[in-house]
Amino acid sequence: GAGVSQSPSNKVTEKGKDVELRCDPISGHTALYWYRQRLGQGLEFLIYFQGNSAPDKSGLPSDRFSAERTGESVSTLTIQRTQQEDSAVYLCASSLDAGALRTQYFGPGTRLTVL
Amino acid sequence: AQTVTQSQPEMSVQEAETVTLSCTYDTSENNYYLFWYKQPPSRQMILVIRQEAYKQQNATENRFSVNFQKAAKSFSLKISDSQLGDTAMYFCAFMSATSGTYKYIFGTGTRLKVLA
Repeated sequence: GAGVSQSPSNKVTEKGKDVELRCDPISGHTALYWYRQRLGQGLEFLIYFQGNSAPDKSGLPSDRFSAERTGESVSTLTIQRTQQEDSAVYLCASSLDAGALRTQYFGPGTRLTVL
Repeated sequence: AQTVTQSQPEMSVQEAETVTLSCTYDTSENNYYLFWYKQPPSRQMILVIRQEAYKQQNATENRFSVNFQKAAKSFSLKISDSQLGDTAMYFCAFMSATSGTYKYIFGTGTRLKVLA
């Protein structure tokens, strides 16, 4: 595709429900990143994938958060038993590989609202 | 732990003028990378400029340049000849690569408004 796409663009859910957020990276990009952006705050780095592997999951806020990637392509970020503090914009980015000097290309984000 | 601080929540500048956004960071590492990202109102984040800590020369990208002071742990962004399209949130970011993994720390951002 032309750029990184994320779906849904907006998600409203009730506290306690599970949600899945999807990211489709730029074709050929082997690295994929997830961030969380709470209202009025900076980005919080959650996790990155090189290929289908996530070398470090320590950035995930709690064990309710999980992420996977298959086929070196689409990735899903799953939040179980959502809480109101999970409300945020979740941004995904991809890059050619995970090298430090590789430019990350960001998607438009998914705005999650937990009622 | 690494931290990134942007002490200017909001700034404004007249079109065609120059503005400098400040960023300081704290780390005990010697090998790291610094970035400035721009997030226009449409929300899509864009890389503006990056700096490798091992390089003494300040990075420049057209109207954007940085003042990297490694000893002071300062990484400011200068925008010359400001344009209306520069209106955005600007985030300073730090990246470390330790033991083959990467971690990114972002500041809280500076909202820049370019005035006509």
